[in-house]
Amino acid sequence: SQQGEEDPQALSIQEGENATMNCSYKTSINNLQWYRQNSGRGLVHLILIRSNEREKHSGRLRVTLDTSKKSSSLLITASRAADTASYFCIIQGAQKLVFGQGTRLTINP
Amino acid sequence: DGGITQSPKYLFRKEGQNVTLSCEQNLNHDAMYWYRQDPGQGLRLIYYSQIVNDFQKGDIAEGYSVSREKKESFPLTVTSAQKNPTAFYLCASSIQYYNSPLHFGNGTRLTVT
Repeated sequence: SQQGEEDPQALSIQEGENATMNCSYKTSINNLQWYRQNSGRGLVHLILIRSNEREKHSGRLRVTLDTSKKSSSLLITASRAADTASYFCIIQGAQKLVFGQGTRLTINP
Repeated sequence: DGGITQSPKYLFRKEGQNVTLSCEQNLNHDAMYWYRQDPGQGLRLIYYSQIVNDFQKGDIAEGYSVSREKKESFPLTVTSAQKNPTAFYLCASSIQYYNSPLHFGNGTRLTVT
């Protein structure tokens, strides 16, 4: 299966702390993407990292990709209440785009 | 502003009726997708289209049908053959099928009773 698997399924931290989510997969990939979903809304694209890249940054977000371990991590630094959402990784391999189950992140004030 | 629009936001139907969900984009994207999301779950791919007049089945296409007659539009019909149609449906588009981010609509919540 090309499905990514996020870990942990749920994460609860205090505002200001860093949050790290992981995504593992089993097949070769063209790219891996991270998305955020607020409750009852569509998904918002955060970062796309290609298979030949190892790290990308966007504001408070940092994504790493380790193709030898078939895993990626999303780090959110200095978390805010507005970061409370579900975070999904999507694996793009040879054919279909497949989402993982997501990590539910809760930022406590 | 460019974007992707799904309508309606909420839809109620009686069991046995077909229903069509609308998805329109003005981003000039070639690829479009339909996903289904169940409570607390990830997204499962129903159908995707890499280019106008072409579409492919995803992982859970049974009971669904689509058309792609125009680049801007990718309607999804939920037929009476779909056993558990109540769900949150998300439409997305991307510049091309490979190596480009997806832009999502805000979804349609379908309830069938």
